[in-house]
Amino acid sequence: KAGVTQTPRYLIKTRGQQVTLSCSPISGHRSVSWYQQTPGQGLQFLFEYFSETQRNKGNFPGRFSGRQFSNSRSEMNVSTLELGDSALYLCASSLNRRDTDTQYFGPGTRLTVL
Amino acid sequence: QQQVKQSPQSLIVQKGGISIINCAYENTAFDYFPWYQQFPGKGPALLIAIRPDVSEKKEGRFTISFNKSAKQFSLHIMDSQPGDSATYFCAAHDPTSYGKLTFGQGTILTVHP
Repeated sequence: KAGVTQTPRYLIKTRGQQVTLSCSPISGHRSVSWYQQTPGQGLQFLFEYFSETQRNKGNFPGRFSGRQFSNSRSEMNVSTLELGDSALYLCASSLNRRDTDTQYFGPGTRLTVL
Repeated sequence: QQQVKQSPQSLIVQKGGISIINCAYENTAFDYFPWYQQFPGKGPALLIAIRPDVSEKKEGRFTISFNKSAKQFSLHIMDSQPGDSATYFCAAHDPTSYGKLTFGQGTILTVHP
């Protein structure tokens, strides 16, 4: 089975712009979680989607949003980018709502905000 | 609020030695404790995981020891190899918080040949 894929792998944006990141989960996996990884804060949970519904959200401002499509693919969007948004954005997929604790991560999207 | 505390921040071990990384948690609702290994430029890879009804789990050279009463768990890497040099994260899952893993701050392991 193919693993979790994320596109693009690298992005450079300037302050004030917006960005959309994409995640394709492992085939058959219905839950997708997003995390932000920075050297200072480590891995922080952004949100989780299951069956096109956001079921959980971390402590991030409303500039961070996401969605999930009927094929379980997910996107996250960051509007009005700030320098502090520079990070590795990771998505993770898991099988179903009873197994959402076993998460498999993608390679991440490295976002740099100038 | 840091709910999972990981130590040490960095660890240097000689080839063939034992690497030990410790984590402590506060939330007694946590019911699943995975360890992830991350190489530079890669996403975290699931290494091994344990649930609180088991005190120890072993997979190859990797062992998790779990102490429910002390709310601590640890990763032991036996016969450490240079290829094990990576950052290791412990994590915990609260079943009432869908899809969220709470991570420790990470340990940078260096295994010298």
